[in-house]
Amino acid sequence: NAGVTQTPKFQVLKTGQSMTLQCAQDMNHEYMSWYRQDPGMGLRLIHYSVGAGITDQGEVPNGYNVSRSTTEDFPLRLLSAAPSQTSVYFCASLAGIGNEQFFGPGTRLTVL
Amino acid sequence: GENVEQHPSTLSVQEGDSAVIKCTYSDSASNYFPWYKQELGKRPQLIIDIRSNVGEKKDQRIAVTLNKTAKHFSLHITETQPEDSAVYFCAAKKGSGGSNYKLTFGKGTLLTVNP
Repeated sequence: NAGVTQTPKFQVLKTGQSMTLQCAQDMNHEYMSWYRQDPGMGLRLIHYSVGAGITDQGEVPNGYNVSRSTTEDFPLRLLSAAPSQTSVYFCASLAGIGNEQFFGPGTRLTVL
Repeated sequence: GENVEQHPSTLSVQEGDSAVIKCTYSDSASNYFPWYKQELGKRPQLIIDIRSNVGEKKDQRIAVTLNKTAKHFSLHITETQPEDSAVYFCAAKKGSGGSNYKLTFGKGTLLTVNP
């Protein structure tokens, strides 16, 4: 199993550009989520999904959209990038009750 | 919603000493408490977890204790080694279904082990 994969690993955007961060998992996990990590702020939940076709907002959802058309994929869209969205983004997946949450390798995004 | 506080934010110890990181949570319904280790430039990885029906759990040099009454749990690392240097995150979540999949994380502790 590849586990949780993310692409790209690094990305530089200009203010106002849009892009999609890709996330996929091959463990048939129902639950997937996106976090952003900023210095001193820990891991903050952006959006999550409890299954295909079901998404919900986390702690910091503004400026981001998600969709979950399949169990495997959970892309994160930045609609109009802003410098405040410069961060490291982690996708994660989880199966069932109290199981380990697996993280992807992360995407380092810089918005100029 | 759940709120997890983690202390200290930075911790520096000498190699061979013990390190303790403490977390408190607000929601008494939380019943699963994992600890993640994140090395520089890497993804967070689970190192140990504890469920609310257990007071303590050990795995070699690391242990976690849970006090449900006080709503706090702690990570203990004994005989620290330079490779223990990393950021450690605590987290909490409730049981099953719907939004109970969500983990709430503390802000992290940067542990530095000096040779």
